[in-house]
Amino acid sequence: QKEVEQNSGPLSVPEGAIASLNCTYSDRGSQSFFWYRQYSGKSPELIMSIYSNGDKEDGRFTAQLNKASQYVSLLIRDSQPSDSATYLCAVLPYGNKLVFGAGTILRVKS
Amino acid sequence: EAQVTQNPRYLITVTGKKLTVTCSQNMNHEYMSWYRQDPGLGLRQIYYSMNVEVTDKGDVPEGYKVSRKEKRNFPLILESPSPNQTSLYFCASRGRDNYGYTFGSGTRLTVV
Repeated sequence: QKEVEQNSGPLSVPEGAIASLNCTYSDRGSQSFFWYRQYSGKSPELIMSIYSNGDKEDGRFTAQLNKASQYVSLLIRDSQPSDSATYLCAVLPYGNKLVFGAGTILRVKS
Repeated sequence: EAQVTQNPRYLITVTGKKLTVTCSQNMNHEYMSWYRQDPGLGLRQIYYSMNVEVTDKGDVPEGYKVSRKEKRNFPLILESPSPNQTSLYFCASRGRDNYGYTFGSGTRLTVV
């Protein structure tokens, strides 16, 4: 079982819709969770971090964490074509070893 | 500007020819890491460092070496590169209280 799993996609949504990206992780002791956005050929960019159960909102982005279900999600409201990218879920189980999922490709159609 | 700087951006080399990819950060971060990214496999950690002279292996350390003699620098060394080390490499750093890594621009390495 992979430590961090994401659906590879592509996930296609129309412009203005809500995009929902999901991630599950295997280590119950994980404490820190991150979402990165990566445009093709570019480096990953941190867009959200979440450390406790519930929702965390930042502009059009909402991260959701459910530790009991070992589930993290990212909602993007009012999706724009510029949101088209690969979204990487990352989990910090212990120490300094940040573990990434393989990423979900998001395509926003105008 | 706060940043992580990697060099070179692109590198084509031949099997067995030693090479070094440099990484430098100007944020006084304690933690630094090297990742490689391959299609379908995502980002995998090669080595990481928690401070000067403190390094440890990640998930895929075979064929790589690192050193952390200064806080700002964390070079990645391939003593004898092989074609299976063809990949996109990223250096990243974070501070002690900030868990989010800042990534460098990446180095695309091709070993022929």
